[in-house]
Amino acid sequence: GAGVSQSPSNKVTEKGKDVELRCDPISGHTALYWYRQSLGQGLEFLIYFQGNSAPDKSGLPSDRFSAERTGGSVSTLTIQRTQQEDSAVYLCASTGVRTDTQYFGPGTRLTVL
Amino acid sequence: KNEVEQSPQNLTAQEGEFITINCSYSVGISALHWLQQHPGGGIVSLFMLSSGKKKHGRLIATINIQEKHSSLHITASHPRDSAVYICAVRSYQLTFGKGTKLSVIP
Repeated sequence: GAGVSQSPSNKVTEKGKDVELRCDPISGHTALYWYRQSLGQGLEFLIYFQGNSAPDKSGLPSDRFSAERTGGSVSTLTIQRTQQEDSAVYLCASTGVRTDTQYFGPGTRLTVL
Repeated sequence: KNEVEQSPQNLTAQEGEFITINCSYSVGISALHWLQQHPGGGIVSLFMLSSGKKKHGRLIATINIQEKHSSLHITASHPRDSAVYICAVRSYQLTFGKGTKLSVIP
């Protein structure tokens, strides 16, 4: 596709359940970022993948959060034992080799009841 | 104190006005981004700066590395410019300001 895609667009889950959020970056983009934006809050960095290097996980808020990137392309953000404070829009962005411009996906709105 | 401070938090302007949004940061950075988030939530990257000035259409972004300050200017503002404008700086990671909500009234 032409842009970054994310799925699902909306996810409602019950507290304590696990969720998986998917990001398909722009083809050929080597860097991939996950962010979240809680209601009324600014964007918060979660994790960063660059090529085959070890990911920068410094933004993950707890060990319930993990992410992987398979084959240098699609990424999955997993939240285990979801809590109500995990409710937010989770955004993915990717960048190409010769640019630092980030292309954002439309986000996944997660609601934990 | 946040590493990235934006001002103003909210801005209302009449169509056609010249608009300035400011971003100050406290850490050494390798780059600064300006992003636009539309009311529907989609985010668009406007500029990435490491020095000087960039212009794209009616948008101009400047950065002063010594003063740790950047400005985003919009000339001849239009209601479709209404959005949240977000400054983000890259140091050891990407850190975001809380955004400036701009409303341009016809």
